[in-house]
Amino acid sequence: QKEVEQNSGPLSVPEGAIASLNCTYSDRGSQSFFWYRQYSGKSPELIMSIYSNGDKEDGRFTAQLNKASQYVSLLIRDSQPSDSATYLCAVNINSQKVTFGTGTKLQVIP
Amino acid sequence: KAGVTQTPRYLIKTRGQQVTLSCSPISGHRSVSWYQQTPGQGLQFLFEYFSETQRNKGNFPGRFSGRQFSNSRSEMNVSTLELGDSALYLCASSSGQSNEKLFFGSGTQLSVL
Repeated sequence: QKEVEQNSGPLSVPEGAIASLNCTYSDRGSQSFFWYRQYSGKSPELIMSIYSNGDKEDGRFTAQLNKASQYVSLLIRDSQPSDSATYLCAVNINSQKVTFGTGTKLQVIP
Repeated sequence: KAGVTQTPRYLIKTRGQQVTLSCSPISGHRSVSWYQQTPGQGLQFLFEYFSETQRNKGNFPGRFSGRQFSNSRSEMNVSTLELGDSALYLCASSSGQSNEKLFFGSGTQLSVL
């Protein structure tokens, strides 16, 4: 079982819709969870972090964490073509090792 | 603040050679992590250095090694290159405290022929 799993996509949504990206992780002791965005040919950049159960909102982005289900998700409201990228879920397995999923490619169709 | 600087940006090597990649973290950051990114495997953790000590290591063969200097700059070395080592190598810096986010450099694209 992979430590962090994501559906590779592509996930296609029309402009203005809500994009929902999902991630599961295997280590119940994981404490920190991150979403990174990576444009083609660029390096990953952090867009959200979440540490406790529930929702965390930042602009059009909402991260959701359910530790009991070992599940973390990212919602992007009012999706824009500029949101088209690969979204990487990352989990801090211990204090020094951050493990990434393989990423979900999001395509926002104008 | 200057970002994370990785050099060189591109490298072409042949099988059997060795290569050294360099990473300068954000000023004040003491932790440097290295990742290998390939289309099929995604981002794979190589190792993490903090204050010149390797704190964590991924599941890569011993041909992959690294070190960190007193100014927090880090180098990664790959010996006896194989075709499968062709990848984007990314380094990321952070303060080294738990739960801290990672800041990535632009990466070094290594091609092994």
